[in-house]
Amino acid sequence: EAQVTQNPRYLITVTGKKLTVTCSQNMNHEYMSWYRQDPGLGLRQIYYSMNVEVTDKGDVPEGYKVSRKEKRNFPLILESPSPNQTSLYFCASSSGQGFGEQFFGPGTRLTVL
Amino acid sequence: AQSVTQPDIHITVSEGASLELRCNYSYGATPYLFWYVQSPGQGLQLLLKYFSGDTLVQGIKGFEAEFKRSQSSFNLRKPSVHWSDAAEYFCAVLSGYSTLTFGKGTMLLVSP
Repeated sequence: EAQVTQNPRYLITVTGKKLTVTCSQNMNHEYMSWYRQDPGLGLRQIYYSMNVEVTDKGDVPEGYKVSRKEKRNFPLILESPSPNQTSLYFCASSSGQGFGEQFFGPGTRLTVL
Repeated sequence: AQSVTQPDIHITVSEGASLELRCNYSYGATPYLFWYVQSPGQGLQLLLKYFSGDTLVQGIKGFEAEFKRSQSSFNLRKPSVHWSDAAEYFCAVLSGYSTLTFGKGTMLLVSP
């Protein structure tokens, strides 16, 4: 089954404790991205990757890092999480053709205390 | 800069009634437009998309949307709403290489 998986689905952590949210897709998609969703703000893009070793900032990249060492994986790293990063995070992938449907993961709900 | 506006934060519709969710976009070139639905606790599912051609596009679950360039709109419609349609709906425009700019969403509530 074609899918985007994220782990963990739920995470509660404390300020300053480094964490990684993993994202993996099995569709051989070139393009992957991370969004955060906050009430009243919709989804905003954090980072995206057009291919292996190619990443770029989205609209709200501050406080986040990403890496793309393999085509299927695109982890989101919070080196020093803060409470304002409490949010619902979505990973997405697409074939990279520009017009292709973006497939979204199930989401990771992160709470930073 | 590209932007998407969904004027209605919440909409309540009676089951069986028709539905229209509004979406306005700001984009310099020909827009590529999408509607996604997010059910409670779920990820986003694509309902339909518009790239070119016929301005009335059909999607899944009985939804359709009409692209009107003169009004910069891409409104989502359904003739008869079912209780299972209760969800949050997002309009989006392709704003870069596979990058989506989303509206803030419209929460649809369905009353019996």
